[in-house]
Amino acid sequence: EAQVTQNPRYLITVTGKKLTVTCSQNMNHEYMSWYRQDPGLGLRQIYYSMNVEVTDKGDVPEGYKVSRKEKRNFPLILESPSPNQTSLYFCASSTRDSTTKNIQYFGAGTRLSVL
Amino acid sequence: SQKIEQNSEALNIQEGKTATLTCNYTNYSPAYLQWYRQDPGRGPVFLLLIRENEKEKRKERLKVTFDTTLKQSLFHITASQPADSATYLCALDTGRRALTFGSGTRLQVQP
Repeated sequence: EAQVTQNPRYLITVTGKKLTVTCSQNMNHEYMSWYRQDPGLGLRQIYYSMNVEVTDKGDVPEGYKVSRKEKRNFPLILESPSPNQTSLYFCASSTRDSTTKNIQYFGAGTRLSVL
Repeated sequence: SQKIEQNSEALNIQEGKTATLTCNYTNYSPAYLQWYRQDPGRGPVFLLLIRENEKEKRKERLKVTFDTTLKQSLFHITASQPADSATYLCALDTGRRALTFGSGTRLQVQP
C-alpha cells in the first residue's frame, strides 16, 4: 500500500530538549515536504526536498532542520524546541510526472506539544 | 504580497443541496490548482487538480472551475451528504516548488 508514515503521532516534550520526527514514503517520490498546521493559519511549509541531499527552506523554517540522506526518508529535527513550535505537523511526498503533477500524499500527522 | 483566501471559515448546508466553496488568490500565476479534503486529526487527501488552461473538471459529485482572469477557483459538491462534512483546502502550484495552501473551509452538511 502506498503511504507516508510519520512517527510519533503524538509527542509532549519540554523546552530545549532535542527531538526528531521521522517520515518515510514507499512511493519512490523525489519530492518531500514538511508542513505545520495551526488554527486560522492553515498549512505552512517548513522545508522541502527535491531529491537526495537537496533541500530548501519553505515559508517558516526558523527553529527546524531537515536532512535527506535517502530518497525514502525525510526527518524533521527540532534542535531546541520552544512553545511556539507546538503544532500539528505533516510530512508529504510527491512527484512531478505528467500524470500526478505534484499531488501531495500526506502522512497522518504528528501532534507536538512543547511545554 | 502573495495571498490565498478561502471564502469562509465555515459553511453549513442542508443534505441534498449543492455546496460551493471559493478560493481566491492574488499575486500568483499558478500552473495548477488542487483541492484537498481533510478530516479532523488526519492528513489532507487529494481530490481534484485543474490546470490553468482548463475551465472545469468533474469527478463524480465534485466539480472544480478555474478562472485565471478572476484569480478564482470554485469547488462544488452536488447532492451533498453528511459524510461530505470536512475541511476543504485549495492549493496553488506555480511549478517552482511545493504547494501553497489556503487555510481551508469547514463544511458541515446537516441531515
